Amino acid sequence: DIQMTQSPSSLSASVGDRVTLTCRASQGIITSLNWYQQKPGKAPKLLIYAASSLQSGVPSRFSGSGSGADFTLTISSLQPEDSATYYCQQTYSVPLTFGQGARLTIK
Amino acid sequence: QLQLQESGAGLVKPSETLSLTCTVSGGSFSDTNNYWGWFRQPPGRGLEWIGNVYFRGGSYYSPSLRGRVTISVDTSGNQFSLNLHSVTAADSAVYYCAKARGTYFMDASDVWGQGTMITVSS
Repeated sequence: DIQMTQSPSSLSASVGDRVTLTCRASQGIITSLNWYQQKPGKAPKLLIYAASSLQSGVPSRFSGSGSGADFTLTISSLQPEDSATYYCQQTYSVPLTFGQGARLTIK
Repeated sequence: QLQLQESGAGLVKPSETLSLTCTVSGGSFSDTNNYWGWFRQPPGRGLEWIGNVYFRGGSYYSPSLRGRVTISVDTSGNQFSLNLHSVTAADSAVYYCAKARGTYFMDASDVWGQGTMITVSS
């Protein structure tokens, strides 16, 4: 199985900050990497697919980059509604696996 | 707008079968060329992929659950189902159904149900 490791596991930042979350795969996955946002009691919401493609309807302050084994999700200007847990997911090989999550809170 | 809704018994006894249905509304299930899948999330923990099914019936499962899991489709009812056999307490989780974004199961999931909590207990 491909292991996905996210860092940091938790982060606190202020409104307006630029925030970067990292996801590392245990082997190369080209650009088969997706990012989800999950708020408490809610289903995950797709933000970024194929490493850098913005899902329709997602604010442009979210962006993704990376290829191979190292990926980042960047929020250019943090908003209060961005408080959530963020998960990366690889869709390169079976089983499809997720990172452990990164909890982002607003100071 | 496409919507998914999970339904099924919320409490299952150990060694029995967990059965869930996902009803697709706002679009015709068989008119899409998509894969449909199931995920789960134990309380306070991360997400786990269970498997995907194609509307014509092909399916892919997580190796850790293969042998216990079956995902099937009912195109006439605009539904797809999950059956997980021989459950234990470790199978207690919120179960989500979802649609794969593209036409291959190894793709991001762009539409999700709200999730349903399943508890395995006697």
